[in-house]
Amino acid sequence: DGGITQSPKYLFRKEGQNVTLSCEQNLNHDAMYWYRQDPGQGLRLIYYSQIVNDFQKGDIAEGYSVSREKKESFPLTVTSAQKNPTAFYLCASSTGTGGRGKETQYFGPGTRLLVL
Amino acid sequence: QKEVEQNSGPLSVPEGAIASLNCTYSDRGSQSFFWYRQYSGKSPELIMFIYSNGDKEDGRFTAQLNKASQYVSLLIRDSQPSDSATYLCAAFLDDYKLSFGAGTTVTVRA
Repeated sequence: DGGITQSPKYLFRKEGQNVTLSCEQNLNHDAMYWYRQDPGQGLRLIYYSQIVNDFQKGDIAEGYSVSREKKESFPLTVTSAQKNPTAFYLCASSTGTGGRGKETQYFGPGTRLLVL
Repeated sequence: QKEVEQNSGPLSVPEGAIASLNCTYSDRGSQSFFWYRQYSGKSPELIMFIYSNGDKEDGRFTAQLNKASQYVSLLIRDSQPSDSATYLCAAFLDDYKLSFGAGTTVTVRA
């Protein structure tokens, strides 16, 4: 089955700790994205990557880091600098082709991060 | 600030009725628009996308785009209890960056 997987489903972070959220896709998509969703709010873009070994900051990148060493994988690290990390984190991917904004983004099941 | 805005909701409709959801966007140059459905605690799933002015129908769902007025809407005909969810409108306001509205929560009353 093709799709996007995220792990873990729930993640608990202690103060001062860095944690890494996993995102893997087998859709052969070039582009991958990380969003954060807070209760009652829309999705906000953290980072995105159009191609392997390249990524760009989104609207709320502070306190987060990413890597894109493989086409299939786009892990997100929530660092201790992110003071309010409790949220629902969603990874998405798209074909990355078709010109301005014509690529549909598909989402993984999400990771819920909670602070202890 | 480039934005996508939606009716705050919540929207409550009786089973079998039409649910109408509206969305406005700030960038006149936006070319593509998406409606996602999100059940509580789950990730968004794509319902429809629309690029051209006019209506696009898919089953019980119809998306309507009016670029001159900068709005896009979603109609859900013959609403079912399983349609109860939050509906997210999204638009590309910058190249490669999809901007989302805050969502409209729909409740279908049996």
